[in-house]
Amino acid sequence: DIQMTQSPSSLSASVGDRVTITCRASQSISLFLNWYQQKPGKAPNLLIYAASSLQSGVPSRFSGSGSGADFTLTISNLQPEDLATYYCQQSYSTPYTFGQGTKLEIK
Amino acid sequence: QVQLQESGPGLVRPSQTLSLSCTVSGDSVGSTAYYWTWIRQHPGKGLEWIGYISYSGNTYYNPALKSRLAMSVDTSNNQFSLELASVTAADTAVYYCARIRSLRTVTMFDFWGQGTLVAVSS
Repeated sequence: DIQMTQSPSSLSASVGDRVTITCRASQSISLFLNWYQQKPGKAPNLLIYAASSLQSGVPSRFSGSGSGADFTLTISNLQPEDLATYYCQQSYSTPYTFGQGTKLEIK
Repeated sequence: QVQLQESGPGLVRPSQTLSLSCTVSGDSVGSTAYYWTWIRQHPGKGLEWIGYISYSGNTYYNPALKSRLAMSVDTSNNQFSLELASVTAADTAVYYCARIRSLRTVTMFDFWGQGTLVAVSS
C-alpha cells in the first residue's frame, strides 16, 4: 500500500494568514493526489483533485501543487470557516489511502 | 444535486454482520460514469477506504478487510450496500458512502453521505 504522510499534524493560524500543508507519498504517484476538508462533525468535502485542479464551488483561496511524491495545499487569506481537518488522498493505485490529517485551528 | 444517505443499525453485536445501505438521489447507481464506495473513520481518527462497486457489480475490496467484506448494488432502489462480517470493537467507526468520479484517469470522491456511526458492543 502507498503510505501518505502529512505535516504538520496540527497548526494554528490567524485570519488573513497564508497556510501551507504538505503531503508526501511513499512512492511517486504522478498527479494522482486529492485534498479534502472535513469540518467538525461533518463528512469530508473534496477541495482539490489531480494535485492542482479546484473542485467546482470551492473558493479560489484554496490551491494545490506538486507532483511525484511531494504535494502542497495552500490556503491564502485564511477565513474563520476554514477551521477543519485536511486530508490528502492518493488515487494512483488501490487500495486508495489517506494521510493522517492536519488539524487547522484559527487563532 | 447529488445526495447520498447511509442507513442501518447503529449498534452491532460482536461476531455479527454489519449491514449498511446508501440511498442515492440526483444520480443513478446504474450510471456507467461512476463507481460507488465506502469509507470509514474510527472515532477521532483518520479515514480508511473500504472498497468500491460499479454499476454492474464489479468490486474492489481493501485487502485489509477483503475476507469479511461484501458489497452489492440495487439499481431498482438506487442503492448500494455494505456487509462486514465477524465484527469486533475495532470496526466501531463512522461509515461514509461516497461517489467515485473519474476524470480522464484521475479518480476522486466527489459526493459523500453525512456518515453513520456504527458501534460494535455487546
